[in-house]
Amino acid sequence: KQEVTQIPAALSVPEGENLVLNCSFTDSAIYNLQWFRQDPGKGLTSLLLIQSSQREQTSGRLNASLDKSSGRSTLYIAASQPGDSATYLCAVVPGTALIFGKGTTLSVSS
Amino acid sequence: DAGVIQSPRHEVTEMGQEVTLRCKPISGHDYLFWYRQTMMRGLELLIYFNNNVPIDDSGMPEDRFSAKMPNASFSTLKIQPSEPRDSAVYFCASSSRGENTEAFFGQGTRLTVV
Repeated sequence: KQEVTQIPAALSVPEGENLVLNCSFTDSAIYNLQWFRQDPGKGLTSLLLIQSSQREQTSGRLNASLDKSSGRSTLYIAASQPGDSATYLCAVVPGTALIFGKGTTLSVSS
Repeated sequence: DAGVIQSPRHEVTEMGQEVTLRCKPISGHDYLFWYRQTMMRGLELLIYFNNNVPIDDSGMPEDRFSAKMPNASFSTLKIQPSEPRDSAVYFCASSSRGENTEAFFGQGTRLTVV
């Protein structure tokens, strides 16, 4: 059974710092991996999608990497800002439906 | 497209009452998913449909839960009778087939059963 783990559960950093969020999964047979952002009381916003054949994807200050063989993905956020404060969720797609980790709650202080 | 649309956004009901949550997926998407989010368990898949047909309902917690998709633009999740432990945020998501396709989520329905 596929399990997704995100460490740390919470992270606090000062504004301007570069940071890395981690995601690990137990079964490397995935179709793709998606990173989401969730603001309190809101829905999920898709940030990046990495296909199983890709190693990384970039969007603005965000860079996501995927290493299927080791069952790991990272989300790198450059020059963090207070507006980046949210919960970041990683989800893998082993077939059709997404299986989520419990997320990392990020707080960026000004 | 307006994205995935869910209604209502908030629902407060008394234990034992029937609750119906609604979802309109993105036009052209042939997969629809229902998820439940709680603090303890995170996001859990309840059921998903492909071309309006239920494919996997193994995540539906009990027979009190049922879901339908009568056409490509509408789905419902019904709880009857509702219980306090059903209190959670329920999300609907849709996607299309393919490795390069993202899943898009609605804003969710926050259900409180008192």
